[in-house]
Amino acid sequence: GENVEQHPSTLSVQEGDSAVIKCTYSDSASNYFPWYKQELGKRPQLIIDIRSNVGEKKDQRIAVTLNKTAKHFSLHITETQPEDSAVYFCAASPTRTSGTYKYIFGTGTRLKVLA
Amino acid sequence: EAGVTQFPSHSVIEKGQTVTLRCDPISGHDNLYWYRRVMGKEIKFLLHFVKESKQDESGMPNNRFLAERTGGTYSTLKVQPAELEDSGVYFCASSQGIGYEQYFGPGTRLTVT
Repeated sequence: GENVEQHPSTLSVQEGDSAVIKCTYSDSASNYFPWYKQELGKRPQLIIDIRSNVGEKKDQRIAVTLNKTAKHFSLHITETQPEDSAVYFCAASPTRTSGTYKYIFGTGTRLKVLA
Repeated sequence: EAGVTQFPSHSVIEKGQTVTLRCDPISGHDNLYWYRRVMGKEIKFLLHFVKESKQDESGMPNNRFLAERTGGTYSTLKVQPAELEDSGVYFCASSQGIGYEQYFGPGTRLTVT
């Protein structure tokens, strides 16, 4: 079936250090991989995404890498700041002939950045 | 531009009762999705509307759940009768097209006691 495994479930880092969150997907038809950040009491918001024809994408302190062969993708946050503390969700989206574009989410990673 | 809105933000009901959740997507977004997150687990897909049509309802858990989107604007998700395992946060998301970013609402936290 379709599933996405996400690790770790919790991650604590010192301010200024890097954080890495890893995901593995099962459906080889997946071709779009968004990452959402959910701060406490707020809605999930897209922070970065990557499509299957690209191996890496970077946006300031955030980067995502994709290994299609291994079905792995990862989120990298450098120079972490307290405001990076949140729950991060990875997702994979397979394109079907039916035209749906649902997201298959991981279980989330609670990141705590310690000042 | 107003974001996706959901109502209510919280709902506490007893087992066997009925609850209706509402989602107002971003204006002009034809695609509307419902997701659910049970405590500590993944955000799980429930169904996808394109305008008023159900494009994919493969994630709906059972026939106690009924989603509608009359007129292709707002959507409702009714749970009848509610069971304890229906507790969780129900998210709605909308996008302007297939393959475009999905914008999420703040969610409705449903507690069934």
